[in-house]
Amino acid sequence: NAGVTQTPKFQVLKTGQSMTLQCAQDMNHEYMSWYRQDPGMGLRLIHYSVGAGITDQGEVPNGYNVSRSTTEDFPLRLLSAAPSQTSVYFCASSATGLGADEQFFGPGTRLTVL
Amino acid sequence: RKEVEQDPGPFNVPEGATVAFNCTYSNSASQSFFWYRQDCRKEPKLLMSVYSSGNEDGRFTAQLNRASQYISLLIRDSKLSDSATYLCVPGRVRGNTGKLIFGQGTTLQVKP
Repeated sequence: NAGVTQTPKFQVLKTGQSMTLQCAQDMNHEYMSWYRQDPGMGLRLIHYSVGAGITDQGEVPNGYNVSRSTTEDFPLRLLSAAPSQTSVYFCASSATGLGADEQFFGPGTRLTVL
Repeated sequence: RKEVEQDPGPFNVPEGATVAFNCTYSNSASQSFFWYRQDCRKEPKLLMSVYSSGNEDGRFTAQLNRASQYISLLIRDSKLSDSATYLCVPGRVRGNTGKLIFGQGTTLQVKP
């Protein structure tokens, strides 16, 4: 099993550009989420999904869109990149059900917006 | 009140010391809790899960205080390799529909 994979590992964008961060998992997990982590700060939840076709906002959703057309994939779209979106982005997945909230993380995407 | 709060530290301790840090949570219905370890902005990895009053794994002990709504992580006989950031997250309380919110994390630096 590959676990949770993320692409790309690094990305540099110019202000106003758009892009999609890819996330995929092969563990048949229903729950998937995107976090961003800024220097000296913890993980902040951007969006999450409890299953295919279902997404919801987290703590910091502005400027980001998500969709969940399959159980495996959960892409994160930056509509118009801004320097404030420079961060490390982590995707995570977990099974569902009481007590099944252990999350598995991808290696992260390091994004710089100039 | 934030959903999950942690003292960011850093906690600077000598090798061999015992150190403990807390994580407070706002939702009294939380039933499960997780401690993750994160090295140098790499992906977090699960350190310990807590489903009842506590859990112990070698030098690491997690204890849950439901009355005061906090969970602690105790590290005994600290090693240099324990230097990392420790993140806590309560499990979801609404079955399959809730979300997982992390605390800010506590940084531990173990010195020789």
